[in-house]
Amino acid sequence: AQSVTQLDSQVPVFEEAPVELRCNYSSSVSVYLFWYVQYPNQGLQLLLKYLSGSTLVESINGFEAEFNKSQTSFHLRKPSVHISDTAEYFCAVSDRGTGGFKTIFGAGTRLFVKA
Amino acid sequence: DADVTQTPRNRITKTGKRIMLECSQTKGHDRMYWYRQDPGLGLRLIYYSFDVKDINKGEISDGYSVSRQAQAKFSLSLESAIPNQTALYFCATSVRTGELFFGEGSRLTVL
Repeated sequence: AQSVTQLDSQVPVFEEAPVELRCNYSSSVSVYLFWYVQYPNQGLQLLLKYLSGSTLVESINGFEAEFNKSQTSFHLRKPSVHISDTAEYFCAVSDRGTGGFKTIFGAGTRLFVKA
Repeated sequence: DADVTQTPRNRITKTGKRIMLECSQTKGHDRMYWYRQDPGLGLRLIYYSFDVKDINKGEISDGYSVSRQAQAKFSLSLESAIPNQTALYFCATSVRTGELFFGEGSRLTVL
C-alpha cells in the first residue's frame, strides 16, 4: 500500500525568505510524484511533477522539488517566497504500474507568507 | 470556461435528503474521479471511472453512488445525506501518468 506524509501541517514564513515543504512517501512499486497547490476557494492545480529523467523538477513560478529515491522524499522548495504563494500545498503519488490512476494525497501543508 | 465544471458550487441540505453533484469536462479524458476533501485529511477517493462502462469504488465509497452518463459527464449522488458527509467535493479527470485536472469544487453542508 502507498502512503504520503507531509511533515508540517502549517508553515509560516516571511516574504522573501526561503521555504521547504517536506513530503515523504511509502510505496512498494515505482511511482510518479506530484505537488498540487490550492489557493483559497479554488480547486487544486498542478504545481510540478516527476515522471522520469532528471530528479530535480521546476515550476514556472520558482518552486522546485527533488526526487530522492533512497530517502523516498519529494520536498518542495522556493528560495524566496511572495505573499501570493500563500496557499495549501499537497504532495501526491501515483502508481506507475497501474498506469498512474491510483493517486494518494498527503494531508496538505498550509503555507502562510507574512509581509 | 473551465475544463472541468462542477455544479452546484455550494449546497446546504438536511439529513436524509438525496443530493446529486454533477461534473462535466471538455478535456476529452476518459478517466474521471470524485474526491472528498476534509481539513487535515487531504483528498480521499470516493469513486473513479475509466470509461462509460467502467465504475470503481475508491477508499470511501460507502454512502455514495455515481453515474457516468457519457464520456464527459460523471455525477455523484448521496442517497440519504448525513452530517458527516459535510465536506468539499472535487471532480477530476486524468491522463495516464496520474496527473489530475480538478474542478473548482462543490461545498456541501448537511444539517
